[in-house]
Amino acid sequence: EDQVTQSPEALRLQEGESSSLNCSYTVSGLRGLFWYRQDPGKGPEFLFTLYSAGEEKEKERLKATLTKKESFLHITAPKPEDSATYLCAVQRGGSNYKLTFGKGTLLTVNP
Amino acid sequence: DAGVTQSPTHLIKTRGQQVTLRCSPKSGHDTVSWYQQALGQGPQFIFQYYEEEERQRGNFPDRFSGHQFPNYSSELNVNALLLGDSALYLCASSLNTEAFFGQGTRLTVV
Repeated sequence: EDQVTQSPEALRLQEGESSSLNCSYTVSGLRGLFWYRQDPGKGPEFLFTLYSAGEEKEKERLKATLTKKESFLHITAPKPEDSATYLCAVQRGGSNYKLTFGKGTLLTVNP
Repeated sequence: DAGVTQSPTHLIKTRGQQVTLRCSPKSGHDTVSWYQQALGQGPQFIFQYYEEEERQRGNFPDRFSGHQFPNYSSELNVNALLLGDSALYLCASSLNTEAFFGQGTRLTVV
């Protein structure tokens, strides 16, 4: 069965203090790994899709990387508006269409 | 582009009742998936609809059913509501791999 584990569960940073969130996964035949941002009481907002080990994608202060066992979401010089829960999900290949999510990392950036 | 829209945004139901949630996909998307998200948890896959058929189903009882219409919009129906069905229900639409979520429907069962 596909598994996704995110760490840490919660992370507090000062504004400008860079850090990384981890997503470890077990899936047979990865089709894609996805990062989402979720604000309280809202639906997840799509950030990135990574398809193969070694791939990297960037958006503003966020950079996502992928290996065969884990993905990292690097946050450079975060701002308070980056505070949110960051969710990681995997999708297995073949005739499988569901996303399997981790529990998320709650990021708080203090001014 | 309106994105994925869900209605209603909030709902309170009594145990044993039935509920219908609605979803309009992002323009151009033909696939709709439904997820349940309990507080402090990641979303859990309920099922996916494509070409008006249920294409894949997660580990949810038959009390959870759905429908997709010719215009790709979708409904999620839950019968015989239990207190444990209280959650944020998310609809996601997709055309290929990437799924885009709506704002969710917060269901409270009392």
